[in-house]
Amino acid sequence: GENVEQHPSTLSVQEGDSAVIKCTYSDSASNYFPWYKQELGKRPQLIIDIRSNVGEKKDQRIAVTLNKTAKHFSLHITETQPEDSAVYFCAAIYGNNRLAFGKGNQVVVIP
Amino acid sequence: DAGVIQSPRHEVTEMGQEVTLRCKPISGHNSLFWYRQTMMRGLELLIYFNNNVPIDDSGMPEDRFSAKMPNASFSTLKIQPSEPRDSAVYFCASSWRRGEQFFGPGTRLTVL
Repeated sequence: GENVEQHPSTLSVQEGDSAVIKCTYSDSASNYFPWYKQELGKRPQLIIDIRSNVGEKKDQRIAVTLNKTAKHFSLHITETQPEDSAVYFCAAIYGNNRLAFGKGNQVVVIP
Repeated sequence: DAGVIQSPRHEVTEMGQEVTLRCKPISGHNSLFWYRQTMMRGLELLIYFNNNVPIDDSGMPEDRFSAKMPNASFSTLKIQPSEPRDSAVYFCASSWRRGEQFFGPGTRLTVL
């Protein structure tokens, strides 16, 4: 199966600064990489994803980059705001439509 | 679109009781997933259906867990008998396109 690892486990940033979360995966056949945001007590919500035919994708203040050779991908949040505080999960697709999730990163935006 | 619907939202039961969790996927989605989330183990895939057929149940912890999908708009996850270590948040997710999964609000299960 697929193994996805996330670093760091907790990230604290000052409001307005950027946050970067990195993930690595093991299955070179994986070709879809979503990111989910989970606020306390709520469901994971898909915020951005990338397929292996592109190296970068951006949506307003968030972006994802993918390095297939190194098998890692990253989430970038710019101009962080308090509402960005949450747990962020990366995932990679494997097998027949299954997602392997990382353990999650707690992002704390300090006002 | 109402999104993925799960019920109940909270369930408190005593050890040994049967628990049934319910899920209604997004209309038109052909894949359904059951996950369990705990602090220690994170998000674990329990079982995955495609077109109502179980494809992969290797994540089901043991025989006490069973899942069914009798039609495209309904699935159940049953635990019988329940144990305290089953306490977790159980999420259902559905998908129509390879990879994109949309999660329901979850059921918080507490087994005393």
